[in-house]
Amino acid sequence: AQKVTQAQTEISVVEKEDVTLDCVYETRDTTYYLFWYKQPPSGELVFLIRRNSFDEQNEISGRYSWNFQKSTSSFNFTITASQVVDSAVYFCALVSGNTPLVFGKGTRLSVIA
Amino acid sequence: DGGITQSPKYLFRKEGQNVTLSCEQNLNHDAMYWYRQDPGQGLRLIYYSQIVNDFQKGDIAEGYSVSREKKESFPLTVTSAQKNPTAFYLCASNGNPNNGEKLFFGSGTQLSVL
Repeated sequence: AQKVTQAQTEISVVEKEDVTLDCVYETRDTTYYLFWYKQPPSGELVFLIRRNSFDEQNEISGRYSWNFQKSTSSFNFTITASQVVDSAVYFCALVSGNTPLVFGKGTRLSVIA
Repeated sequence: DGGITQSPKYLFRKEGQNVTLSCEQNLNHDAMYWYRQDPGQGLRLIYYSQIVNDFQKGDIAEGYSVSREKKESFPLTVTSAQKNPTAFYLCASNGNPNNGEKLFFGSGTQLSVL
């Protein structure tokens, strides 16, 4: 069965600090896809990144970066120089085989000015 | 603009009442999904449909029902059998569920019990 664990329930940082959100996944499939979504206070989920299991290259997009390590089944997300607008709930998710997307329980990030 | 529209934004249910949440998409997506979100619980799958006139139960289908008569519409009915319906409900869709295509989400419906 597929499972996603986000051990950090809530994180608070001061503006301009770097912060890493952890994500550990479980699947028996060799082909799978990992995602990160952001949920601001408005409630709608915003897609951030999709990574397939055959691409372990780390990715950077502006202040956001992702570290995918198959050896530890982790797909961690780092925000550099955090801003108040980064305050949201962040979800890591996994899809493999014919099963729909499975989400972790989310990490609530609060960035304090 | 293409997207997913959920209505209403807020909904109140009385004891013993069935209520229906609307989800419409104009993205021409084959697959549609309903998730329930409770504080601290993440998103849990209620039902999903990969093609018109077909749907499957998710992890928490009890007390809910759906239909998929049209490609663009996937309404969710919360029946009186659902004893704890207060939650935030999110509808999503994607074009090809079998190649890891990302989900597009609606803005959600907050359901509360009176």
